[in-house]
Amino acid sequence: DIQMTQSPSSLSASVGDRVTITCRASQTITTFLNWYQHKPGKAPKLLIYTASSLESGVPSRFSGSGSGTDFTLTISGLQPEDFATYYCQQSYRTPQTFGQGTRLEIK
Amino acid sequence: QVHLQESGPGLVKPSETLSLTCTVSGGSMSGYFWGWIRQPPGTTLEWLGYIYYSGSTDYNPSLRTRLAVSMDTSKSQFSLRLSSVAAADTAMYYCVRVSAVGGAFDIWGQGTMVTVSS
Repeated sequence: DIQMTQSPSSLSASVGDRVTITCRASQTITTFLNWYQHKPGKAPKLLIYTASSLESGVPSRFSGSGSGTDFTLTISGLQPEDFATYYCQQSYRTPQTFGQGTRLEIK
Repeated sequence: QVHLQESGPGLVKPSETLSLTCTVSGGSMSGYFWGWIRQPPGTTLEWLGYIYYSGSTDYNPSLRTRLAVSMDTSKSQFSLRLSSVAAADTAMYYCVRVSAVGGAFDIWGQGTMVTVSS
């Protein structure tokens, strides 16, 4: 299986901050990397697909980059509704696997 | 827009079979993969398997001997059956649609919590 490693595992930030979450794959996944936002009691929500494409309806403050094994999710100008857990996921090969999650908390 | 809704028992006894159904509304099942993902308490998300609208399936090797995903397009539903469950199968179970671009999970059901306990 392809292992996905996110860092940091948790992050404290303030409204208006710019934050970056990284995700590393154990082998190349080209750009088959997706990012999700997960809030308690709700279903995960797709934010970014194929590493850098913004899902319809997702605010433009979210952006993704990377290819191969190293990827980043950046949130520019944190809003109160952005505090959640974020997961990366590879769709390059089955079994599709997720990172362990990054919990973004209010400072 | 497409909406997914899981249904099934919230409590299953050890060694029995867990059965869940996902109902698709607001769109066609044609042309897409439909799948299941779970999240045990305190851990990350785990892909279980999916089915193409043609009926072909793919499963997580860790569950292949116990898992079956089926589809009934006439009812706009797909289902999961997980046999010989144990406490480790306690989790929030989500049904999902797989995007035609890049394979991301673009639509999710709200999830249903399943507890395995006697």
